[in-house]
Amino acid sequence: GENVEQHPSTLSVQEGDSAVIKCTYSDSASNYFPWYKQELGKRPQLIIDIRSNVGEKKDQRIAVTLNKTAKHFSLHITETQPEDSAVYFCAAFGTGTYKYIFGTGTRLKVLA
Amino acid sequence: EAQVTQNPRYLITVTGKKLTVTCSQNMNHEYMSWYRQDPGLGLRQIYYSMNVEVTDKGDVPEGYKVSRKEKRNFPLILESPSPNQTSLYFCASSLGPINEQFFGPGTRLTVL
Repeated sequence: GENVEQHPSTLSVQEGDSAVIKCTYSDSASNYFPWYKQELGKRPQLIIDIRSNVGEKKDQRIAVTLNKTAKHFSLHITETQPEDSAVYFCAAFGTGTYKYIFGTGTRLKVLA
Repeated sequence: EAQVTQNPRYLITVTGKKLTVTCSQNMNHEYMSWYRQDPGLGLRQIYYSMNVEVTDKGDVPEGYKVSRKEKRNFPLILESPSPNQTSLYFCASSLGPINEQFFGPGTRLTVL
């Protein structure tokens, strides 16, 4: 079946540094790639998303890049802050299946 | 207040005892999903619904049923729960399939 691989599974950075999380998808018909942040004990919340007709999208300290040829997309967080500490999930939506496939998550720790 | 609600939030039951987890949204969203979240496996889609009376299997549908008789409600039914269905369950809704998904607060289910 289709899958999304997410790396790394854990990531520790110093406050103020950048963090990068990478995902690779297998379904070439995927056209929508959201990123969700889940704080401990809370529900996932969308932080940024990108559609297949766009290569990059930014929202303040957060950016996502998409390489359709390589079937690869990444989340970039600059100037990290302690409140960025959470689990981040990438996902891919398949236009043929109408299903979402999520990555297994990255636990980000921002050290003060 | 725009929201997705789930009930119950916590449930402990025994193998084979039918149960229903309710999900309701007040945002007039068309696309609704059920996910289960397990450590190390991320979020996995169980079922989704494109609109009223239109439902389809996600990645892990075995042992679950759903219905979508009204736009706002999308209950998850476990006809004969088994211990491997012990998990954290999230309902989510979005305007359309490739829009931001809003997650409910989660239901923690334990099957003994």
